[in-house]
Amino acid sequence: SYDLTQPPSLSVSPGQTASITCSGDKLGNKYIYWYQQKAGQSPVPVIYQDSQRPSGIPERFSGSNSGNTATLIISGTQAMDEADYYCQTWDSTTVVFGGGTKLTVL
Amino acid sequence: QVQVVESGGGVVQPGRSLRLSCTVSGFTFSSYSLHWVRQAPGKGLEWMAVISYDGTNNDHAGSVKGRFTISRDNSKKILYLQMNSLRPEDTAVYYCVRVGIQNTYGFNWLDLWGQGTLVTVSA
Repeated sequence: SYDLTQPPSLSVSPGQTASITCSGDKLGNKYIYWYQQKAGQSPVPVIYQDSQRPSGIPERFSGSNSGNTATLIISGTQAMDEADYYCQTWDSTTVVFGGGTKLTVL
Repeated sequence: QVQVVESGGGVVQPGRSLRLSCTVSGFTFSSYSLHWVRQAPGKGLEWMAVISYDGTNNDHAGSVKGRFTISRDNSKKILYLQMNSLRPEDTAVYYCVRVGIQNTYGFNWLDLWGQGTLVTVSA
């Protein structure tokens, strides 16, 4: 089976850049998707196909994917960005999620 | 309003069965593949199953293969997850999730999530 590895937690100060990584074997050969889940809410997609932003997602969210690592970048992090973030890809016809990263905005 | 709504959760004893349902509004049900994803209390997301928009293809996570079955009725516009031989570790919120592109099966983003339905497996 295919595994995606994320750091369990990350802390940033308001206004700083948050970089959340997701690692997997030859991940750059696959599409990566990112979801934001705020406390008590359902997940919401923030990045699809490595770097595309869905409608309504702020420009401060961006993504990249190369080699074995994909990265979700939040520029000018705001208090409202505090949430759990999950990366996702496909392994054949099954979905794989990373373990999630809890982003704290101090 | 474009949405998916899960139902059928509750408290069930170990070894028993439960069937979850998902109804949709605001989009053409038969044009989208659908997934079930679960989240145990305080844990991360775990993918359960996917079914194609026409119901001809499906896949299940290895952890539930043989116990859980995804199906759909396009005439009634309902997605199902039949869960048999339930275990305490199946306790979770179960989400119904739509894929991002019509008339496709795999390699897609999950663009629309329901609020989830809580399943508690306990004696």
